[in-house]
Amino acid sequence: DAGVTQSPTHLIKTRGQQVTLRCSPKSGHDTVSWYQQALGQGPQFIFQYYEEEERQRGNFPDRFSGHQFPNYSSELNVNALLLGDSALYLCASSFYPDHSYEQYFGPGTRLTVT
Amino acid sequence: AQSVSQHNHHVILSEAASLELGCNYSYGGTVNLFWYVQYPGQHLQLLLKYFSGDPLVKGIKGFEAEFIKSKFSFNLRKPSVQWSDTAEYFCAVTSEGNQGGKLIFGQGTELSVKP
Repeated sequence: DAGVTQSPTHLIKTRGQQVTLRCSPKSGHDTVSWYQQALGQGPQFIFQYYEEEERQRGNFPDRFSGHQFPNYSSELNVNALLLGDSALYLCASSFYPDHSYEQYFGPGTRLTVT
Repeated sequence: AQSVSQHNHHVILSEAASLELGCNYSYGGTVNLFWYVQYPGQHLQLLLKYFSGDPLVKGIKGFEAEFIKSKFSFNLRKPSVQWSDTAEYFCAVTSEGNQGGKLIFGQGTELSVKP
């Protein structure tokens, strides 16, 4: 049973560029959440997708956008990259009607903005 | 706004010592509480969770946590740590009306266990 997978593992971008990160949820899961983890900090919630729509959003600017596909996989897009966007980006999946509410995390994508 | 505070940034213990990591949250309503662990080079995984009922919850690998509502706390404990417990530990909360949604994490506590 494959867990949550994310690609790429590492990415280096230049300030002002755009980036797309990808996530495949754990088998059987239909909900994907994205988190940003800066160095030395806990993960911060960016947004969550369910049924191909953004269900919840954290306190992140519109430069951060996402998408969920019919197969439940998801993309996180960040436009006009800033140095402060350098972080580990985590994807977590869950099964919405499941009352255990457990989110399973992927290994993350390390984004470096220079 | 909800927030989670973990008191210790870095804890160093010898093997067999007892562990207690503090976690306090700020939220006036009913919450669901979690402890996640991140071993070196691995992804975040759930240690234990509290939704309702017995405030003392047991998780994997001998960890337990106690929910004290009056103190807004959810401290993690283990009677005797092992070198393999070296990891970063995160406390997280979500409000009752938001199950399965946004998790709010503390800043994490790095635990180093000396053999």
